[in-house]
Amino acid sequence: DAGVTQSPTHLIKTRGQQVTLRCSPKSGHDTVSWYQQALGQGPQFIFQYYEEEERQRGNFPDRFSGHQFPNYSSELNVNALLLGDSALYLCASSSLFQGGYTFGSGTRLTVV
Amino acid sequence: QQQVKQSPQSLIVQKGGISIINCAYENTAFDYFPWYQQFPGKGPALLIAIRPDVSEKKEGRFTISFNKSAKQFSLHIMDSQPGDSATYFCAASTKRSGSARQLTFGSGTQLTVLP
Repeated sequence: DAGVTQSPTHLIKTRGQQVTLRCSPKSGHDTVSWYQQALGQGPQFIFQYYEEEERQRGNFPDRFSGHQFPNYSSELNVNALLLGDSALYLCASSSLFQGGYTFGSGTRLTVV
Repeated sequence: QQQVKQSPQSLIVQKGGISIINCAYENTAFDYFPWYQQFPGKGPALLIAIRPDVSEKKEGRFTISFNKSAKQFSLHIMDSQPGDSATYFCAASTKRSGSARQLTFGSGTQLTVLP
């Protein structure tokens, strides 16, 4: 049973560029949450998707946007990249009614 | 307030010793308190969790102690092993109707268990 799959594992982008990160949830999960983890810090909640809609959002600017597809997979898009966006981006999937929060291994984004 | 404060930032323990990590929160609406273990290059993995109607929960060598009146909770790792060396995060969560849980994490504790 595959867990949460994220791609790519590592990414290097230039300031001002745009990036798309991808997440496939664990089988049986219908909700995807995205977190940003800066080096040496705890993960911070970006937003959450269920039924292809953004259901909750943390304190992140509109440069951060997302999407959820009918197969429950999800994308995180970041526009106009800043050096401070360099972090590990984690995807977590869960079942809205049965819980079971599971994290992927993350995408390491470096902005230069 | 949504913040969860975690201490210490780093901890070094001898093999067989007890590791203790503490967390405090402000938001009384939090109703679920998990602890996560993270190894380098990996995502956080759920270790153990507790709800505020219980004062203690034990799973193997791991125990959560919860003090609702003080708004504090702690993780105790008994008989610490070198394989326990990792970063540990406490978290707190609420659940709104129609949404899955949103986790608020502490800043993490880097645990090193010496052989």
